[in-house]
Amino acid sequence: AQSVTQPDIHITVSEGASLELRCNYSYGATPYLFWYVQSPGQGLQLLLKYFSGDTLVQGIKGFEAEFKRSQSSFNLRKPSVHWSDAAEYFCAVGNSGGYNKLIFGAGTRLAVHP
Amino acid sequence: DTAVSQTPKYLVTQMGNDKSIKCEQNLGHDTMYWYKQDSKKFLKIMFSYNNKELIINETVPNRFSPKSPDKAHLNLHINSLELGDSAVYFCASSQGPGGDGYTFGSGTRLTVV
Repeated sequence: AQSVTQPDIHITVSEGASLELRCNYSYGATPYLFWYVQSPGQGLQLLLKYFSGDTLVQGIKGFEAEFKRSQSSFNLRKPSVHWSDAAEYFCAVGNSGGYNKLIFGAGTRLAVHP
Repeated sequence: DTAVSQTPKYLVTQMGNDKSIKCEQNLGHDTMYWYKQDSKKFLKIMFSYNNKELIINETVPNRFSPKSPDKAHLNLHINSLELGDSAVYFCASSQGPGGDGYTFGSGTRLTVV
């Protein structure tokens, strides 16, 4: 069965510092992988996605993520965090065949110190 | 122009009542979903419809009944509400199987007292 693990429940970084949010997935075939961001009281916004091809994918708001099949990971990165990046971040995996049901990780709450 | 809109945004009701949440998308997508986000922020799929046909039903109590009158609308009716139903319910849509990801609504916070 598909599953997603986000090992870090809460991360705090200083504004301007780099960021890496970890995501590990479990899926038998090549997965579809996604990162979403949820600001307080808001819905989820898609940051980026990976299906195939280049393992380093660029997303919105300056985020990128790297797919590493050998490590079953899809970590999200940003070189310089802004205060407005404070939010909840969710990694999700979908199956590459048939109708998708995205399976979400438990989320990582990002706090940004000035 | 909101892509996926849910109403109401907040819903406070007593145990035992019946309530409905409405969802509409104007993206032309053919697949719609209901997700439940619990107090720990965990998101779990409840239902999925493709062109008005139910394709995913994730062992949700039968007090929850989705209805899709057309592919742009997916409503969620909940009978005999229980305290444990308190959560944020998100509607989402996608084109086809969702390989491009979902577009989410802003959520409905349901509080059962």
